[in-house]
Amino acid sequence: ELKVEQNPLFLSMQEGKNYTIYCNYSTTSDRLYWYRQDPGKSLESLFVLLSNGAVKQEGRLMASLDTKARLSTLHITAAVHDLSATYFCAGNQETSGSRLTFGEGTQLTVNP
Amino acid sequence: DVKVTQSSRYLVKRTGEKVFLECVQDMDHENMFWYRQDPGLGLRLIYFSYDVKMKEKGDIPEGYSVSREKKERFSLILESASTNQTSMYLCASSWLDRSYEQYFGPGTRLTVT
Repeated sequence: ELKVEQNPLFLSMQEGKNYTIYCNYSTTSDRLYWYRQDPGKSLESLFVLLSNGAVKQEGRLMASLDTKARLSTLHITAAVHDLSATYFCAGNQETSGSRLTFGEGTQLTVNP
Repeated sequence: DVKVTQSSRYLVKRTGEKVFLECVQDMDHENMFWYRQDPGLGLRLIYFSYDVKMKEKGDIPEGYSVSREKKERFSLILESASTNQTSMYLCASSWLDRSYEQYFGPGTRLTVT
């Protein structure tokens, strides 16, 4: 059974700083997803990583996937307040078809 | 753009009532999912469906049932609502054989009193 763990679960950072959120998963998963959730809102898809070594960037966020290490990272560059949200990673296990397993989420607060 | 809509943003029901939550997607997705989200517990899968009239139990199906009579619509039913079913309910959909990326609806915050 696929398990997905994120760390840290809570992250408070200053504007302008860089930081990385880590997503580890327990079994083979060639697909990794990152989502963002604003307070009281639903989940919005950020990145879909479909192969080892995949890297995707959007604005100040960059996601990467290392399937050998069973690790994905979400790197934040020069954080701004608008990035404050909860970030979820999710993996897909081949034997589970199209079902995703979500991590616990990382609550990010960017302080001025 | 993919659009997933849910019938209500907020709902208040009494213990013992039968509750219907509806989800509609407009992208011809084969897969549809129902999750609940609670503080500290993340997203937990209740039921999902790969096709019309097909359903599969997720991790926490107890106290819930689902219906999928049409491809675009997936309903979650609480047969007899209880206070421990107070939660945020999220519907999602995805294609069967592409990236499996799930698209989420806006959520329904259900309070059972």
